[in-house]
Amino acid sequence: DTGVSQNPRHKITKRGQNVTFRCDPISEHNRLYWYRQTLGQGPEFLTYFQNEAQLEKSRLLSDRFSAERPKGSFSTLEIQRTEQGDSAMYLCASSPGGLAASDTQYFGPGTRLTVL
Amino acid sequence: SQQGEEDPQALSIQEGENATMNCSYKTSINNLQWYRQNSGRGLVHLILIRSNEREKHSGRLRVTLDTSKKSSSLLITASRAADTASYFCATALRAAGNKLTFGGGTRVLVKP
Repeated sequence: DTGVSQNPRHKITKRGQNVTFRCDPISEHNRLYWYRQTLGQGPEFLTYFQNEAQLEKSRLLSDRFSAERPKGSFSTLEIQRTEQGDSAMYLCASSPGGLAASDTQYFGPGTRLTVL
Repeated sequence: SQQGEEDPQALSIQEGENATMNCSYKTSINNLQWYRQNSGRGLVHLILIRSNEREKHSGRLRVTLDTSKKSSSLLITASRAADTASYFCATALRAAGNKLTFGGGTRVLVKP
């Protein structure tokens, strides 16, 4: 069990550029979640997947944000035309999912985005 | 939006003392989880307590849950400098996909 990994760990970009983050969940975990955390606040839910299906998107996820999990394994989160307000830590978590499985979510180290 | 409040927002104690922090939430839940976050890093899962449980222990951690008051507490006994971190409670509801709704966190400083 290698844990949840995220890449890159840090990203600095200029306003208006597109960025893409990747999350590799714990193998055999069916559920994958994305959260965003701004300085001094708790994480806020963005979206989640059950296998390859995206089941819910938060209102925080504007049209500039898109997430995919094409084969039910890794996931990508893309932000188009970045704005300074997008600067935050983007956290990914996975859980086994399923009726009898643990509800515990395991978090990756996060990707810190800075938009200049 | 945040589920509720954590109290206190910040806590400073001496090594060896106990640290207690509280969490309140607003809606129905299936479980409540506590996480630790060291500065600028990811969240580490500490303990999960289900809605039909009232108390749970794990090492130096003790968590209580009062669903009638929609509140939980986390007690860290015999604190160590390494316990310095932010602590977050998060609630989950299976019908809502188990997505976590976090509080604002308690920043704990343990002085050696």
